[in-house]
Amino acid sequence: DTAVSQTPKYLVTQMGNDKSIKCEQNLGHDTMYWYKQDSKKFLKIMFSYNNKELIINETVPNRFSPKSPDKAHLNLHINSLELGDSAVYFCASSQDVRGDYGYTFGSGTRLTVV
Amino acid sequence: EDQVTQSPEALRLQEGESSSLNCSYTVSGLRGLFWYRQDPGKGPEFLFTLYSAGEEKEKERLKATLTKKESFLHITAPKPEDSATYLCAVQGGSNYKLTFGKGTLLTVNP
Repeated sequence: DTAVSQTPKYLVTQMGNDKSIKCEQNLGHDTMYWYKQDSKKFLKIMFSYNNKELIINETVPNRFSPKSPDKAHLNLHINSLELGDSAVYFCASSQDVRGDYGYTFGSGTRLTVV
Repeated sequence: EDQVTQSPEALRLQEGESSSLNCSYTVSGLRGLFWYRQDPGKGPEFLFTLYSAGEEKEKERLKATLTKKESFLHITAPKPEDSATYLCAVQGGSNYKLTFGKGTLLTVNP
């Protein structure tokens, strides 16, 4: 049973389109995250939710909108996709906001905007 | 703003050749320093959390240490399966945000 699952694994789309990435965790964790890993492998926080409440919102364009319908799910919707949005997007979860026992990451969604 | 610098960017070792990876950091009020391992095409996998200078944690051939300005990941007698990118991250006390370094790509040749 996959602990943190993301769909889709690959996403190729044209500039200007709108797309969504879904994430689900079955670990019973309270906190979930979206990270972006660019072509230089730099992993950067985008958003964090704790029990469905947004707690971290980094400097991310308004075109990115997270949604957490319940604490097991955190989806990412992207409007008007741009070439620079191409990256690998990782969902992660942790037991609580402190994350002392580490984050559990999904396997990533590779987004390519053409 | 919290910053993490890892060196070297890439390291190639022969099987059995021990070495260390470095992670230097600047953070306002360090709450914790984390090490992760990332294999190609996968998400990072948690290894250790260190909280205070002088602390050490071990797991198989890996040992992580922490000072007030940097952390080291020592790899003793590595095997080819230790090949991966090792990521260091720091967490400040204000909002628990985790800031990652760019990682060290370790290759262990048989």
